[in-house]
Amino acid sequence: GQNIDQPTEMTATEGAIVQINCTYQTSGFNGLFWYQQHAGEAPTFLSYNVLDGLEEKGRFSSFLSRSKGYSYLLLKELQMKDSASYLCAVLDSNYQLIWGAGTKLIIKP
Amino acid sequence: EAGVAQSPRYKIIEKRQSVAFWCNPISGHATLYWYQQILGQGPKLLIQFQNNGVVDDSQLPKDRFSAERLKGVDSTLKIQPAKLEDSAVYLCASSLKAGTSGWHQETQYFGPGTRLLVL
Repeated sequence: GQNIDQPTEMTATEGAIVQINCTYQTSGFNGLFWYQQHAGEAPTFLSYNVLDGLEEKGRFSSFLSRSKGYSYLLLKELQMKDSASYLCAVLDSNYQLIWGAGTKLIIKP
Repeated sequence: EAGVAQSPRYKIIEKRQSVAFWCNPISGHATLYWYQQILGQGPKLLIQFQNNGVVDDSQLPKDRFSAERLKGVDSTLKIQPAKLEDSAVYLCASSLKAGTSGWHQETQYFGPGTRLLVL
């Protein structure tokens, strides 16, 4: 079966750095997405990785290792507004997006 | 550029009643998705359209759920009759064109969702 694993919840301090991990086992791979979802709102696109390595976009970076079936989202200089759920999703061989359950990130002052 | 529009934003019904949700995707997006999201879980794909054809409806409970996208633009999702376990957020998303292996074409953009509560 297809499976994506993320930690359920993480807590970090304002101004700090946090890394949210995602491991996946899917039938094929055509890319990995990270989405941010604030409580009561729709998911919004953060990043896309299809090749190994790090993609940096401002305070957010996303890393991919296809051989390990592993990705992480790195958030720097955390702000209170970063409190949200972060969803990892993999595009499988049929171009279907397989979603993780999300990681709820709590930022404390 | 206008985003994905959905209505209504909230709906409360009693079990065994029917309900319909509407979605208008981003202009020019060929692919439209309906998801069900239960609190604390990731989105679950119900149905995917490419223009006005169904690409995947394998997880759609067809005995009670139906969806259409007649002119290849906006779409409606219906539940009839509703059950208590249908209480969830129903998200509509669109992408330029799925199955092309390009992040720009594959990236899904979501509407605000419809919160359904079945009593």
